Amino acid sequence: SQQGEEDPQALSIQEGENATMNCSYKTSINNLQWYRQNSGRGLVHLILIRSNEREKHSGRLRVTLDTSKKSSSLLITASRAADTASYFCATHDYKLSFGAGTTVTVRA
Amino acid sequence: EAGVTQSPTHLIKTRGQQATLRCSPISGHTSVYWYQQALGLGLQFLLWYDEGEERNRGNFPPRFSGRQFPNYSSELNVNALELEDSALYLCASSETSGRAGTDTQYFGPGTRLTVL
Repeated sequence: SQQGEEDPQALSIQEGENATMNCSYKTSINNLQWYRQNSGRGLVHLILIRSNEREKHSGRLRVTLDTSKKSSSLLITASRAADTASYFCATHDYKLSFGAGTTVTVRA
Repeated sequence: EAGVTQSPTHLIKTRGQQATLRCSPISGHTSVYWYQQALGLGLQFLLWYDEGEERNRGNFPPRFSGRQFPNYSSELNVNALELEDSALYLCASSETSGRAGTDTQYFGPGTRLTVL
C-alpha cells in the first residue's frame, strides 16, 4: 500500500525556476526520505529528514517536515534540465513505502 | 566505492517460466531489499534480507522468493511467471544499525523483466 502521496503529480517549469512538491503520509514515522528516478532507472537517494527535524538542506535541495500535519515538502532551487525526473517521498519503518511520485520537467 | 549492482539489465521470459534476478550490495552493507515497480502500481516492497535471513516480505504470493548469500549478495526468484509480473525490479542495500527505520537505502539500476 502507498504510504506517501505526492502533490502535484506532474510539474513543468522553466530552467532557473524553483520547483516545489509536497508529500503527505498516514502513520507516524522515524524518518522520511526523498528519492529521484531518471527515466525508469534506479532511485537516487536525495535526502533523509528525521522525525525530530523540521528542515534540512543539501545543495539546491530544501526539505521540510511537519509531523503534526504528516507532510513534507521538497524544494529544488534554480532548476536545471538535469533535474528532469520523477521524485518520490518514502516513509521508513524497515521497508520504504513510496508515494506515486511527482514528475518534474525542466524546460530549457 | 561501487554502488549496488544488479543483473541482468533486461530479462525477457514467457508465461510459466522462472526468472532469477541478482543483486550485489554496497561493500559493508548487510541488508538487501527488493522492490517491484510495475506500471500503474508504483513502488512496492517485496522482500528484506539481513545477515542471510529473510526478515520480512511484502504482500506478494509465495512464487516470489529469494535468498541472501554469505557475501550478502542476493537473488530474487519469480516462479510461474505471469504477465502482470512485468516490471522494473529494484534492489537496495543498507547498513543495519539494529534500529528499524534509520538506515538509508541505496538502490541499484534495476532489472526490467518482461513477461510475454
